[in-house]
Amino acid sequence: DSGVTQTPKHLITATGQRVTLRCSPRSGDLSVYWYQQSLDQGLQFLIQYYNGEERAKGNILERFSAQQFPDLHSELNLSSLELGDSALYFCASSVGRRNTEAFFGQGTRLTVV
Amino acid sequence: QKEVEQDPGPLSVPEGAIVSLNCTYSNSAFQYFMWYRQYSRKGPELLMYTYSSGNKEDGRFTAQVDKSSKYISLFIRDSQPSDSATYLCAMRGDSGNTPLVFGKGTRLSVIA
Repeated sequence: DSGVTQTPKHLITATGQRVTLRCSPRSGDLSVYWYQQSLDQGLQFLIQYYNGEERAKGNILERFSAQQFPDLHSELNLSSLELGDSALYFCASSVGRRNTEAFFGQGTRLTVV
Repeated sequence: QKEVEQDPGPLSVPEGAIVSLNCTYSNSAFQYFMWYRQYSRKGPELLMYTYSSGNKEDGRFTAQVDKSSKYISLFIRDSQPSDSATYLCAMRGDSGNTPLVFGKGTRLSVIA
């Protein structure tokens, strides 16, 4: 167990809907990272927050947004969902800003039907 | 050409075999090289972390980086059925907090 908690574990929703994925980082970790893993694209970095502020941005669609709250938990919001958004979404956390030292959660499996 | 290429496998070996997993990359700016292990229905777990070129050993695992060839390897000695997983390579540049770029992973099965 990495100490990073993601909820829910599974989510099934219809196209056009909006969902929120939640991540609680390890105790003491200030950085949160979001990744998307699909069969054709592999694991791709979406966005990083450090102590409440956006730190780095990857291939995150405009339909997706994230935030980190004062208690350091983070939420990833996915809207106007498409079939192609079906994937595993991972959150990772690290003490500092270095993504090379991040621990991953167990992921949320999103299925869009 | 993708930035990081990794043979997806699957790779099936008998217990006790030496396993060699590899990635090639195209971006010469990459300086940090990592190997992750991902069990089915779990998140990736960092196994090895190397900066720049050279070898690093940790128990049964050895990571090698050859920057001149843009080629990295992970060797697993005395492989065990518990090593059955998908292995992902990842890398990034040296400047700031550039994102990690992952390979798609190689699925390994170690048969008892």
